[in-house]
Amino acid sequence: GENVEQHPSTLSVQEGDSAVIKCTYSDSASNYFPWYKQELGKGPQLIIDIRSNVGEKKDQRIAVTLNKTAKHFSLHITETQPEDSAVYFCAASPTNAGKSTFGDGTTLTVKP
Amino acid sequence: GAGVSQSPRYKVAKRGQDVALRCDPISGHVSLFWYQQALGQGPEFLTYFQNEAQLDKSGLPSDRFFAERPEGSVSTLKIQRTQQEDSAVYLCASSGDRARPQHFGDGTRLSIL
Repeated sequence: GENVEQHPSTLSVQEGDSAVIKCTYSDSASNYFPWYKQELGKGPQLIIDIRSNVGEKKDQRIAVTLNKTAKHFSLHITETQPEDSAVYFCAASPTNAGKSTFGDGTTLTVKP
Repeated sequence: GAGVSQSPRYKVAKRGQDVALRCDPISGHVSLFWYQQALGQGPEFLTYFQNEAQLDKSGLPSDRFFAERPEGSVSTLKIQRTQQEDSAVYLCASSGDRARPQHFGDGTRLSIL
């Protein structure tokens, strides 16, 4: 089955700096890669996603890159703000299957 | 609200008791997923429904876990003879179809004493 590894497990940055979180996956059949933000006591909220036919996607301060050959994808947050502090999860889903395999999360702290 | 609703938000049970967790998906969403999230870890897949059909139950840890969605809308996850290792947050997600993003509820935090 699919295995997703996520690094780093914790990340602390100053407000205004950039944050990068990296994930690798094992199943070449995976073609959908969402990123979620989870705040304490809440469910994961989708912040951006990318499909395997695209190498990069951007939405305001958030961008995701995908390298299918190397089986890794990354989340980039620019101009970080204290409200970006949360746990971030990457996930991978195979073609025609709904279930997602998640990484173990990155706790991002943005210091004012 | 139009989001995924889960109840109860918190459930405390004694070891050996049965529990039932409810999920109300977003109206019209055909796909429904259950995940288990242990403290400090990512969600782990349990089972998946498309309408009333349970298409994948490969993630259910044992035969004590049972899920149903009889009318293709509300789903219930039942755990029989609970054990301490069942303590976790149980998350439900729904999507318009299996190719679309999943929308998560806020989960049920289950504590087994």
